[in-house]
Amino acid sequence: EDQVTQSPEALRLQEGESSSLNCSYTVSGLRGLFWYRQDPGKGPEFLFTLYSAGEEKEKERLKATLTKKESFLHITAPKPEDSATYLCAAKYGDYKLSFGAGTTVTVRA
Amino acid sequence: DAGVIQSPRHEVTEMGQEVTLRCKPISGHNSLFWYRQTMMRGLELLIYFNNNVPIDDSGMPEDRFSAKMPNASFSTLKIQPSEPRDSAVYFCASSHLSGEAFFGQGTRLTVV
Repeated sequence: EDQVTQSPEALRLQEGESSSLNCSYTVSGLRGLFWYRQDPGKGPEFLFTLYSAGEEKEKERLKATLTKKESFLHITAPKPEDSATYLCAAKYGDYKLSFGAGTTVTVRA
Repeated sequence: DAGVIQSPRHEVTEMGQEVTLRCKPISGHNSLFWYRQTMMRGLELLIYFNNNVPIDDSGMPEDRFSAKMPNASFSTLKIQPSEPRDSAVYFCASSHLSGEAFFGQGTRLTVV
């Protein structure tokens, strides 16, 4: 069964304290691994798409990487505005996204 | 572009009433999705349209749920009759071809 698991469920960081979020997937025929950010009361906001193992993408303090079984979202020197829930989703077939439950990140000043 | 626009943002209704949620996708996007988000089950795909045609409605919980896309710029999700267990946040998303999906702000539905 296609499945996406994110860990940890919650992460509390001090401002400037770098860390990583994990997304493991068991999707056959992966067509892309997506990362989204979701703020309370808002819809998921697209961050990155990764298509093949070894691929990396960066945006400000965020860097996403992909292996054959998992993806990591690295947050370097986070700021309070990076506090959000980060969702990963594995795409299989032409359109189906299987979402993980998310990691809620809280960054304290 | 204003992004995906959903209305209403919040809806409170009584059990048994009909509820209609609305969505305007991003102009030029040919794929539209309706998702439901709950604490227990996370984000679940309800239905997928491509070029205004429903392609996959396997995620629609039961016959009380229906969705339409009469044209490229408008879609509705209807629940009739509504039940308390339908309470959730409903998201509409659109994408171009097989690219990333862009989500609206969601409609928080509460059925009492």
